Order: sequence, then C-alpha cells, then structure tokens
Amino acid sequence: SYELTQPPSVSVSPGQTASITCSGDELGDKHASWYQQKPGQSPVLVLYLNEKRPSGIPERFSGSKSGNTVTLTISGTQTMDEADYFCQSWDSSTVIFGGGTKLTVL
Amino acid sequence: QVQLVQSGTEVKKPGALVKVSCKASGYSFSDYGITWVRQAPGQGLEWMGWVSVYSGNTHYASRFQGRVVMTTDTSTSTAYMELGSLTSDDTAVYYCARGLSAEPFNSWGQGTLVIVSS
Repeated sequence: SYELTQPPSVSVSPGQTASITCSGDELGDKHASWYQQKPGQSPVLVLYLNEKRPSGIPERFSGSKSGNTVTLTISGTQTMDEADYFCQSWDSSTVIFGGGTKLTVL
Repeated sequence: QVQLVQSGTEVKKPGALVKVSCKASGYSFSDYGITWVRQAPGQGLEWMGWVSVYSGNTHYASRFQGRVVMTTDTSTSTAYMELGSLTSDDTAVYYCARGLSAEPFNSWGQGTLVIVSS
C-alpha cells in the first residue's frame, strides 16, 4: 500500500484561512476523508469523498483534490478549530491514515 | 442516534491478551462493518483491521496478523477485538468505528485505554 503525507503542523491566525494538505501516490484514483481530533476526544469526521461535509460540520470546512493531493481548507478559522487533523484513504481493503497535522490557531 | 460504546480501561501484563468490546446502537448492526483503530500516547491513528458484520469476513493490518482477532455478536450488536502477546508498545487507546475500508468513519466509540505494564 501507499503512504499519506501531511505537514506535522500548521499555524493560522483567528479569522484567517488554514489549509492542510495530504499527498499519496495513489490518491489520484481514490477518495479521502478528514478527521478532527481534539485532546482527549475521539476523532470526528469533518469531510468525506474529498469535499463533502457530514451534517453538523460548519460550512467553513471545505475540501478539494488535485492529482495525488487532497486539501482541507478552513475559512475564517476559529479558536475552537485548534486540533489534530488526519486524512484517510484506502487501498485493497486496507485503511491508510496520514500522520496527522496539528493546527494551531494563534 | 448512532452510538458505539466501548468497554473500560484495561491493565495487562506483557504477554497477556486483551479483549475490547464495542456495543452499537441506533442503527442496523448488520448493515455496516466495524473498523478498529489505535492511538499510542502522543501519536497518530493506526488502522488495525475491520470485520464485516454481515459476512464475518475480516481484514487485518499485516503488522497485527497472527495476534489479533476481530469478531461480532449480532445478538447483542457488539463487536470485539482481541489482541494477544501484548508488549509495552501496545499501550494505546483503542477505538472502534463504524464502516469498512472505503467508507467514511462517521461514528466512533469513546476509546478504550489499554495499558501494558509489568
């Protein structure tokens, strides 16, 4: 299987736009999901099928895909968005997670 | 609403076996698989494998082959994950999540802390 690569950390000022990338050699023909995890909590699905938001996820969360890279974008970032974010895809019945990105809002 | 409720904290000695449960409610248990993911302290998410509730088929991550078993009990809507030959490296929070490999995991259990210590 392949790996999913994310930047370890991203910093953003409140109200600005944060972008987190996730790259993988075989992402081009797969779709990805994104999870938000705050300290001491279980992961929460924030995007699936690269760009779709589950019910209850704010509109400021959006996703896109270009080639082998998917991107999670948070517009008008709020302090409550500070968390770890993990991308996820699959290959031949195997689930693959990215290493995670710590988003700091300061 | 969909809920996955996991069993409580476990403390085990090296070489032992642990069994974690995940009780589902709020949906038809047989319509979805259950995936198990673990997270070591301060680390990322690590996929362990999944079990199809409908067929009983399983698929495990290669690094756990031979020491993990995932099962389900449809009579109680409960999934189980057994991990044997524990070492300190298995100290982690173990999560169950609804879905299989190509599905988004939109429901997660609260996590079960497993501590392996002599």
